[in-house]
Amino acid sequence: QTVVTQEPSFSVSPGGTVTLTCGLSSGSISTSYYPSWFQQTPGQAPRTLIYSTNTRSSGVPDRFSGSILGNKAALTITGAQADDESHYYCVVYMGSGIWVFGGGTKLTVL
Amino acid sequence: EVQLLESGGGLVQPGGSLRLSCAASGLTFSRNDMSWVRQAPGKGLEWVSVISGSGGSAYYADSVKGRFTISRDNSKNTLYLQMNSLRAEDTAVYYCAKWVPAVQGVSWGQGTLVTVSS
Repeated sequence: QTVVTQEPSFSVSPGGTVTLTCGLSSGSISTSYYPSWFQQTPGQAPRTLIYSTNTRSSGVPDRFSGSILGNKAALTITGAQADDESHYYCVVYMGSGIWVFGGGTKLTVL
Repeated sequence: EVQLLESGGGLVQPGGSLRLSCAASGLTFSRNDMSWVRQAPGKGLEWVSVISGSGGSAYYADSVKGRFTISRDNSKNTLYLQMNSLRAEDTAVYYCAKWVPAVQGVSWGQGTLVTVSS
């Protein structure tokens, strides 16, 4: 069974740029997987950042962007701020109606 | 603004059943696929199930297939998740979501906690 992979943790300095990735244990992610990205802080419901690879959800600042980098989906945060410190999850479409989340990345801003 | 309000969570014994509900407003309910996503304590998000706008198609994660049933009542703008043969590993916060990540994005409810324990 294909696993969706994400970096378990990442750190970025305030004002810096970070790129989180979302890959497959077998194969490459393309736009046909409709990757989406979500941000979640402890005790809160997830918040949608990006859907369908690179479309920002309503109200999401443009320092969050999505793309395909090589064989992975990517979420880039430019000008990182303290309140960007969260968990970030991707989800991809595996076909036949099935969606799979990645394990999530804990982002630290320090 | 889309609003999704889950209810029906609680404590249930292993092997028991529970039905979750999600009341939706601020959207044309029957035109949107809807999903349930869960999160075990201290763990990541897990997609559970999706149902088409008409209710004619439904899909499940392997971990719940054959035990959980997703359904909807478009006349009541309500989504359901019938959970049978519950196990300890089903303990999680269950989120209802307007699920259109390929086109319109995802809107989330606040979640309801299900605890499976004797």
